[in-house]
Amino acid sequence: AQTVTQSQPEMSVQEAETVTLSCTYDTSESDYYLFWYKQPPSRQMILVIRQEAYKQQNATENRFSVNFQKAAKSFSLKISDSQLGDAAMYFCAYRIYQGGGADGLTFGKGTHLIIQP
Amino acid sequence: GAVVSQHPSWVICKSGTSVKIECRSLDFQATTMFWYRQFPKKSLMLMATSNEGSKATYEQGVEKDKFLINHASLTLSTLTVTSAHPEDSSFYICSASTRRANQPQHFGDGTRLSIL
Repeated sequence: AQTVTQSQPEMSVQEAETVTLSCTYDTSESDYYLFWYKQPPSRQMILVIRQEAYKQQNATENRFSVNFQKAAKSFSLKISDSQLGDAAMYFCAYRIYQGGGADGLTFGKGTHLIIQP
Repeated sequence: GAVVSQHPSWVICKSGTSVKIECRSLDFQATTMFWYRQFPKKSLMLMATSNEGSKATYEQGVEKDKFLINHASLTLSTLTVTSAHPEDSSFYICSASTRRANQPQHFGDGTRLSIL
């Protein structure tokens, strides 16, 4: 079974600073997807960024980037120029790739990100 | 972007009643829908996967007779919590996906269920 581990229950960062959220996973599969989701107090799940395991290049989306280390099974999220609106729970998630979209996500326990003004 | 509508957003009901939650994909055909459960300050746990026109696949430990899932069309899946009890109180979130592996799942806004 696949597992996703987020070792930081809570992180705090000053506004405009950079913060990195950690995520490791365990899988025997070679093809899979990794995601970071943001869940603000509204509890809506918002996709922040995703990474295909077969791609060596790290994904980036504006201020958000990942450091994907496939051999180490590590998938950290870096948020640059932190903004107050970034405050939320962040979940790392894994999904196996089986040639279709018919697989559920396995989530980590989440990291509560606090942005200090 | 793709939109998934979940209804109701909040429901309170008495113990012993059944509650139905709807999940609709508004602008794409969702061949697969997923149901997750989230306890307060906890992560999302996959409950079941439903494919249009076939029986749902439940994760280990999820009671099939307690959580009835129907996916009768490409735009609608329902989760019915039967004979609900206080321990069923939780936040339930659906997501929808197409068969294309490189497409992300699109989440509904969730349903907060409170059983008195």
